[in-house]
Amino acid sequence: KNQVEQSPQSLIILEGKNCTLQCNYTVSPFSNLRWYKQDTGRGPVSLTIMTFSENTKSNGRYTATLDADTKQSSLHITASQLSDSASYICVVRESYNTDKLIFGTGTRLQVFP
Amino acid sequence: KAGVTQTPRYLIKTRGQQVTLSCSPISGHRSVSWYQQTPGQGLQFLFEYFSETQRNKGNFPGRFSGRQFSNSRSEMNVSTLELGDSALYLCASSLAAGGSTDTQYFGPGTRLTVL
Repeated sequence: KNQVEQSPQSLIILEGKNCTLQCNYTVSPFSNLRWYKQDTGRGPVSLTIMTFSENTKSNGRYTATLDADTKQSSLHITASQLSDSASYICVVRESYNTDKLIFGTGTRLQVFP
Repeated sequence: KAGVTQTPRYLIKTRGQQVTLSCSPISGHRSVSWYQQTPGQGLQFLFEYFSETQRNKGNFPGRFSGRQFSNSRSEMNVSTLELGDSALYLCASSLAAGGSTDTQYFGPGTRLTVL
């Protein structure tokens, strides 16, 4: 069964610190992997999209990495800000034949001053 | 350019009733997808429409249905509501469909509560 698992489930860090969120998946074959940020009570916002041939992609202080061999991805947040407090969701799209998006359950990040 | 809009934002229904949710995509976007989000299950894919055709469907019972109109606006219908249908229903639009790397833009969601 195609799955996407994220760790940790929740994370608390101090403002200004860095952190890394993990995503392991079993989806195969897949066409792309996405990271979304979802603030409480709002819809998700796309952070990065990577195809299977890409290793890293950045969006400001957010950097996503992908290792298609080990089926792992990570999202690194640099110099965290209070506004980074949100849920971060890893999403893997299956191949062109099915196109379905498989969502992880997310990591809840809280940044304290 | 206006974002994805969903109506209504909040809805309270009782078991057995039916409900229709509406989604207006970003202008020019032809792909609309629907998702259900609950605290226990996270985000789950319901279905995807592109140019008025359902391209993909998630693992939900037939009580969940949808359609897309020629102007790309989409509606989702849930019949014979159950308590477990209480969730945030999110709609997302993108330019293209399928395995593209187009960014999906999500709406604010409709919070459905079934009593």
